[in-house]
Amino acid sequence: GAVVSQHPSWVICKSGTSVKIECRSLDFQATTMFWYRQFPKQSLMLMATSNEGSKATYEQGVEKDKFLINHASLTLSTLTVTSAHPEDSSFYICSAIFVGRQYFGPGTRLTVL
Amino acid sequence: QKEVEQNSGPLSVPEGAIASLNCTYSDRGSQSFFWYRQYSGKSPELIMFIYSNGDKEDGRFTAQLNKASQYVSLLIRDSQPSDSATYLCAVLQGAQKLVFGQGTRLTINP
Repeated sequence: GAVVSQHPSWVICKSGTSVKIECRSLDFQATTMFWYRQFPKQSLMLMATSNEGSKATYEQGVEKDKFLINHASLTLSTLTVTSAHPEDSSFYICSAIFVGRQYFGPGTRLTVL
Repeated sequence: QKEVEQNSGPLSVPEGAIASLNCTYSDRGSQSFFWYRQYSGKSPELIMFIYSNGDKEDGRFTAQLNKASQYVSLLIRDSQPSDSATYLCAVLQGAQKLVFGQGTRLTINP
């Protein structure tokens, strides 16, 4: 099966700092990865589509300057939450496509104090 | 109208019974449909996908698709307490983008 990992699994930071989250496809190459955000008791909301070697495609309403995405290799995409604020506290989940199906990483819980 | 709609529940089913989860979608051109299970605090796990009208069975799970009526359902037979989770219906939009419903919270009562 396809395994997607994320690091860190949880992070607590102070307001105004930046946080980087890594997403890796462990046993396959992923030209496209996706970043989702999930608030408590809500569904997954797609934030952006990360394309290897090119700029990410952001969903409407997602600030690209605040959520920086870098997909520098076929197995790694990173999401950096810049100048994080308490309202950015959420569960961030990445996914990658393998054989036509999306597989999710374990998620990163971000808490901004 | 939301693109993908599910009853948020909670849906409570006794152990051993059949749990029935439903999902409707608005884009008549959608071709691929997925069911994910999400335990509290965890990320979604793919349990079923279906592309063709009719039923698709995998162990205790059966996915049903009716494109004319624009609904997808998931049946869980012989429900177990470990099936208690939130079930997310997702529809593929375009080539790669998944659109999720709000999820149905299922509780299996021993």
